[in-house]
Amino acid sequence: DAGVIQSPRHEVTEMGQEVTLRCKPISGHNSLFWYRQTMMRGLELLIYFNNNVPIDDSGMPEDRFSAKMPNASFSTLKIQPSEPRDSAVYFCASTQDGQTGELFFGEGSRLTVL
Amino acid sequence: AQSVTQPDIHITVSEGASLELRCNYSYGATPYLFWYVQSPGQGLQLLLKYFSGDTLVQGIKGFEAEFKRSQSSFNLRKPSVHWSDAAEYFCAASGGSNYKLTFGKGTLLTVNP
Repeated sequence: DAGVIQSPRHEVTEMGQEVTLRCKPISGHNSLFWYRQTMMRGLELLIYFNNNVPIDDSGMPEDRFSAKMPNASFSTLKIQPSEPRDSAVYFCASTQDGQTGELFFGEGSRLTVL
Repeated sequence: AQSVTQPDIHITVSEGASLELRCNYSYGATPYLFWYVQSPGQGLQLLLKYFSGDTLVQGIKGFEAEFKRSQSSFNLRKPSVHWSDAAEYFCAASGGSNYKLTFGKGTLLTVNP
């Protein structure tokens, strides 16, 4: 079975540029999460979708960050404009209702903002 | 505030030795508890979980963990470590049916030949 698929795996961009990260969750999963991982702060939940609806976006750092889930098989995380402090690994994870905490993670998108 | 603490940032063991990774939690009630493993360049993979019942839980790859309410701990163990176990290990907790996982900062495991 295909796991959670993220793209791009690596992104290097310059400050001020727009960055779009993409995620395809596991088929049949109706919950999707975006996490950010840094050395300083560890793993942070950015946003949680359930049945394509954003339920909790309290972890989104600021207005420069936005996320969408137009359908059950696709989500994007956008940063505009990007800043060096946004450099991190961004993970997408999915799960089914009732599978509390049992998340399936993608391999991550490593973002470097110069 | 809810928190998960992994006291050891980095642990080194020899191949074949036993392993115990520590995890302590601070929650209002007994949370759901998890251990995840992250290999270099990879996403996190669930090793095992505890919701209720038997306090010793078995997971994949020969790992087990023991829930101790009196110590607010959920330590991960393996009797004999293999070189392929070298990775970063994360303890996590959630408040029952709450979707929001709180992760510890992780313990990096190095395995010497």
